[in-house]
Amino acid sequence: EAGVVQSPRYKIIEKKQPVAFWCNPISGHNTLYWYLQNLGQGPELLIRYENEEAVDDSQLPKDRFSAERLKGVDSTLKIQPAELGDSAVYLCASSLSGSGGHYNEQFFGPGTRLTVL
Amino acid sequence: AQTVTQSQPEMSVQEAETVTLSCTYDTSESDYYLFWYKQPPSRQMILVIRQEAYKQQNATENRFSVNFQKAAKSFSLKISDSQLGDAAMYFCAYRSDWRSYIPTFGRGTSLIVHP
Repeated sequence: EAGVVQSPRYKIIEKKQPVAFWCNPISGHNTLYWYLQNLGQGPELLIRYENEEAVDDSQLPKDRFSAERLKGVDSTLKIQPAELGDSAVYLCASSLSGSGGHYNEQFFGPGTRLTVL
Repeated sequence: AQTVTQSQPEMSVQEAETVTLSCTYDTSESDYYLFWYKQPPSRQMILVIRQEAYKQQNATENRFSVNFQKAAKSFSLKISDSQLGDAAMYFCAYRSDWRSYIPTFGRGTSLIVHP
């Protein structure tokens, strides 16, 4: 069974340019997460989707970041315009469900390493 | 808010030896999950072991075991018979059982394994 797929693996852009990351979760997983991982830190949640609905996006900087999961399957995270401080690894994860009091393991993708020059 | 502290930025161990990684956390909740994740240079986070707070018995997974001290809010990971493939970043994480299903991660410990 395929795991969580992310592309691209690496991206280098100049500041003020737009950038987009793509994630395809494990088949059948309703919940999708986007995390930001700065160098030397653990991942921090940006946004969580339950199917098509963004149910937890309080940490997403909405002035420049946007995300979508139109059909409840794959998702895109966009930054426009990118700033120097956005250089980080962007991780996507999925789980069967993210709520309901049940434990559902999160499976992570390999991440996209973004460098903003 | 819950916090997770990993006080060891880096640890090293000889191949076949045992190493213990430390983690402490702060919470006022009684029901929660604790995790150790491994992140190799490929960047993919892999779940190593999980502990439910209501279970007194320490979790074990092959060469990996934890020492869960609920009263002390301590959750250490012991790796026995260390292998070169164990070299990675290790993250401790906390997840509430009811309020939020998003794990809070520590800053990580880099494990170096010497042949």
